Amino acid sequence: GAVVSQHPSRVICKSGTSVKIECRSLDFQATTMFWYRQFPKQSLMLMATSNEGSKATYEQGVEKDKFLINHASLTLSTLTVTSAHPEDSSFYICSARVAGGSRYEQYFGPGTRLTVT
Amino acid sequence: ELKVEQNPLFLSMQEGKNYTIYCNYSTTSDRLYWYRQDPGKSLESLFVLLSNGAVKQEGRLMASLDTKARLSTLHITAAVHDLSATYFCAVVITQGGSEKLVFGKGTKLTVNP
Repeated sequence: GAVVSQHPSRVICKSGTSVKIECRSLDFQATTMFWYRQFPKQSLMLMATSNEGSKATYEQGVEKDKFLINHASLTLSTLTVTSAHPEDSSFYICSARVAGGSRYEQYFGPGTRLTVT
Repeated sequence: ELKVEQNPLFLSMQEGKNYTIYCNYSTTSDRLYWYRQDPGKSLESLFVLLSNGAVKQEGRLMASLDTKARLSTLHITAAVHDLSATYFCAVVITQGGSEKLVFGKGTKLTVNP
């Protein structure tokens, strides 16, 4: 149980275009989802916290107009990278916390590797 | 601002040897996690430590937490090649009423035959 999927797993897009990444909790409901970014050989940095039915909370330095987050249901959050540039190339990982479950557990998705050419 | 420091950042060891990875953090927290990441993959949860003196073991890995010293250790016993991966510790903080994980930089472990 507690599986989180991400789609796509890899995406290549041209500079200036937008790309959407989906994060789904497959067998549980998640009131809170988190989006992380990981540059090569670096640690994970939290970008934003996404709560179902409300606006996402962005970390300092993360442009909310560039990284659009929508958490429309208890099983789906999306991250849209708008007007992508090569410096946005990174590994994007989401995680989800079980609604009403132990507050201790976050389940991580398999990640999406974005390459902007 | 919470800082989470791991050391060493790189660790090369021989099979059969023991070693310890350290994770220091700068402010109080009630939870600390250890994760494993294989190249190109996401995170695998290893341990969650909730209280001072907590010790958890799974196979050749043992994690402990000293909340007074703000220190957690991940001890590797009789390393095998399959343990080669990057290991992250992460600490929970509460900010603006919500919780978030702050990760260390990771320790890249290479176990040589």
